[in-house]
Amino acid sequence: GAVVSQHPSWVICKSGTSVKIECRSLDFQATTMFWYRQFPKQSLMLMATSNEGSKATYEQGVEKDKFLINHASLTLSTLTVTSAHPEDSSFYICSAYSGVQETQYFGPGTRLLVL
Amino acid sequence: KQEVTQIPAALSVPEGENLVLNCSFTDSAIYNLQWFRQDPGKGLTSLLLIQSSQREQTSGRLNASLDKSSGRSTLYIAASQPGDSATYLCAVRVSGTYKYIFGTGTRLKVLA
Repeated sequence: GAVVSQHPSWVICKSGTSVKIECRSLDFQATTMFWYRQFPKQSLMLMATSNEGSKATYEQGVEKDKFLINHASLTLSTLTVTSAHPEDSSFYICSAYSGVQETQYFGPGTRLLVL
Repeated sequence: KQEVTQIPAALSVPEGENLVLNCSFTDSAIYNLQWFRQDPGKGLTSLLLIQSSQREQTSGRLNASLDKSSGRSTLYIAASQPGDSATYLCAVRVSGTYKYIFGTGTRLKVLA
């Protein structure tokens, strides 16, 4: 099946710094990617829909200026957590939609810890 | 607004038992429903995908059913094994979009 990778797999940063997470579709092109956040022992919450070449669409309650999403190519979307704070510590998972397979493939996740 | 709920939230069973996990959703306008497995600290593994026009899907010891009109799906696990211990998530794809809305999850522990 199709593969989606995320980098880094996990990151620790100081409060106030910015962190960039990459999501790549390795063997297919994805015009649409999604970013989810998962707090400990909770389910995945959709944060935003990332569309190649256009602005991301954010879910209600998600600050677009804090979580910057860029989808500059058909195989790469990035999520930047700006001025990270301890409450941003979470597991971030991306997914990429394959129009050919008509299936969404999920990345392995990135664990962020903000000290 | 689509809401997805899973019952029970946690389940502990002895090895060999057959078990049923439940998923309910509030809006029947779905494109498909997918069941995932998530091991602690890991990403998602897709188990079964049921299209809105289908009633069930099977893979090995797993069987998932879908009753779209009543907003329910069940995941049946036969002859459970300790290796089945994980969190099971159901997710519905909203009609007209590519978005998935995830359920609250069921944490399963199968005791040896």
